[in-house]
Amino acid sequence: GDSVTQMEGPVTLSEEAFLTINCTYTATGYPSLFWYVQYPGEGLQLLLKATKADDKGSNKGFEATYRKETTSFHLEKGSVQVSDSAVYFCALSERERRDTGRRALTFGSGTRLQVQP
Amino acid sequence: EPEVTQTPSHQVTQMGQEVILRCVPISNHLYFYWYRQILGQKVEFLVSFYNNEISEKSEIFDDQFSVERPDGSNFTLKIRSTKLEDSAMYFCASRTTFRGVEETQYFGPGTRLLVL
Repeated sequence: GDSVTQMEGPVTLSEEAFLTINCTYTATGYPSLFWYVQYPGEGLQLLLKATKADDKGSNKGFEATYRKETTSFHLEKGSVQVSDSAVYFCALSERERRDTGRRALTFGSGTRLQVQP
Repeated sequence: EPEVTQTPSHQVTQMGQEVILRCVPISNHLYFYWYRQILGQKVEFLVSFYNNEISEKSEIFDDQFSVERPDGSNFTLKIRSTKLEDSAMYFCASRTTFRGVEETQYFGPGTRLLVL
């Protein structure tokens, strides 16, 4: 079955440091890939997505590129802020040939990011 | 901006009791989902719902669970006889559909369920 593997956290960085959170996946078809963020005490928010190989998703300074050859979707940000402290989830959703209502998300275990001033 | 809402935000119940978690998906969305996240663990898919029926469910979604769309706006998850291990954060999600195009799932803020 499908699976998503993320680097374990917590990741602790100083403000303005460069961030990479690794994510690799296993899927039978051609999934869409997502990064969701969960701020303390809140629900899941979509951060960015990519729907096909070589696509780059970006939002709020975060980027991730869909690499089919390495089955990866690593999250990067050039300069983190204290407000970026949260748990980041990589996820995938398989496509279906017919829109049958499937495409449930498969999540990684999450990576907690702590940014210190 | 439209958003998914969930009630209650927190629920405490005794083992063996029934609970109903409520969700109001985004109004033009057609697919609805429940996920759960046990404290410190990954988010797990429970069930998806389309056209007034379950379209997919995971192994977690056993006979103790049921879902319903009782009217045009609410989407509920019922746990008939709660167990200690049902304690988790439950997320509702919804998405629109466009044939052949992947559409994002939008999540609610979650209901934290504690079974004592």
